[in-house]
Amino acid sequence: DAKTTQPPSMDCAEGRAANLPCNHSTISGNEYVYWYRQIHSQGPQYIIHGLKNNETNEMASLIITEDRKSSTLILPHATLRDTAVYYCIVRDLYNFNKFYFGSGTKLNVKP
Amino acid sequence: DTEVTQTPKHLVMGMTNKKSLKCEQHMGHRAMYWYKQKAKKPPELMFVYSYEKLSINESVPSRFSPECPNSSLLNLHLHALQPEDSALYLCASSPSGSYNEQFFGPGTRLTVL
Repeated sequence: DAKTTQPPSMDCAEGRAANLPCNHSTISGNEYVYWYRQIHSQGPQYIIHGLKNNETNEMASLIITEDRKSSTLILPHATLRDTAVYYCIVRDLYNFNKFYFGSGTKLNVKP
Repeated sequence: DTEVTQTPKHLVMGMTNKKSLKCEQHMGHRAMYWYKQKAKKPPELMFVYSYEKLSINESVPSRFSPECPNSSLLNLHLHALQPEDSALYLCASSPSGSYNEQFFGPGTRLTVL
């Protein structure tokens, strides 16, 4: 399985965009990139996923580089409630039940 | 109903006790998962059930025994646990299929004395 590398923590000012990077340099062609977040003492929450095209939903945007070796999760207008640990996960299309979390980035949104 | 529920929220048990964790979903999902999460660490996959059959066991010690009595219910039976087994135990479910998202419950906080 491909592994992911994320910075352990990041700060972001409230109202500004939060850009969370993830490296997945050994990703293979049948692996998707998923992002989840975990607010303190809660279960992880799905945010977004993609294969090779950029994706956007009501929560965030996902930018995947052309070589697919890295991606960035963008929260366009961070709020205090976005303070959480954000996990970047690479998921194999053919072993899709094997879901392995990386170490995650603790995002601190500050007023 | 679009949530995964877990009971109990908190559990304290001795090393000789037998207890069970329960997870329930009514979204019609046919894949269910158990994860273990130690403090300040990411969740670690333990077991996966697909269509009520155990499909993945991530080399979990036998003192943890999963059970899927029906498509809505997932149990984790605990026996002779060690203090290092203290953790947050998370349950998740997902529709069958390759890239469907997983829905997580709030977890059971387990303390082994």
